[in-house]
Amino acid sequence: GDSVTQMEGPVTLSEEACLTINCTYTATGYPSLFWYVQYPGEGLQLLLKATKADDKGSNKGFEATYRKETTSFHLEKGSVQVSDSAVYFCAGAGGTSYGKLTFGQGTILTVHP
Amino acid sequence: DTEVTQTPKHLVMGMTNKKSLKCEQHMGHRAMYWYKQKAKKPPELMFVYSYEKLSINESVPSRFSPECPNSSLLNLHLHALQPEDSALYLCASSQGGGGPYNEQFFGPGTRLTVL
Repeated sequence: GDSVTQMEGPVTLSEEACLTINCTYTATGYPSLFWYVQYPGEGLQLLLKATKADDKGSNKGFEATYRKETTSFHLEKGSVQVSDSAVYFCAGAGGTSYGKLTFGQGTILTVHP
Repeated sequence: DTEVTQTPKHLVMGMTNKKSLKCEQHMGHRAMYWYKQKAKKPPELMFVYSYEKLSINESVPSRFSPECPNSSLLNLHLHALQPEDSALYLCASSQGGGGPYNEQFFGPGTRLTVL
């Protein structure tokens, strides 16, 4: 079946540090890939997405590029802020999982001033 | 309107109570989902409705009963729950039809506590 492998945390950074959270997806076919963010006490928000190889998703200073060769979708940000502290979930849809999102385990990010 | 709303925001219930969670979207989406999420874990899919018909039931206990009265509304009826059912219950919607693109929009969730 489909699976998402996401870098485990927690990740603790100082403000203005660089962030990379690794994510790879295993599936039959070429899934759409997503990053969702969940702030404390809230639901999930779509952060960015890519629907085909070489697509680059970006939002709020975050970026991720869909690498076809490795089905990877690593999340990056050049300079994190305290307000970026949240749980980040990588997810994929399509392939053999019709109508279903497959989530990674989530990465807890804490940014200190 | 690109919002999924959920009510109530918080719910505390005893093991013998009957309660319902409500979800609503007005984006014209034809697929709606219920997820259960434990703290700091990814959401676990419970049910999927596609075009108002139940298309996926992830072997959820019968004490959870979903209902889709129309294309904009999704309910989750709760009865005789256990303390381990305490969690954040998330609703989501998407355009539907599966295929290569399946962006789901999530509501803020209902925080359920079973005493």
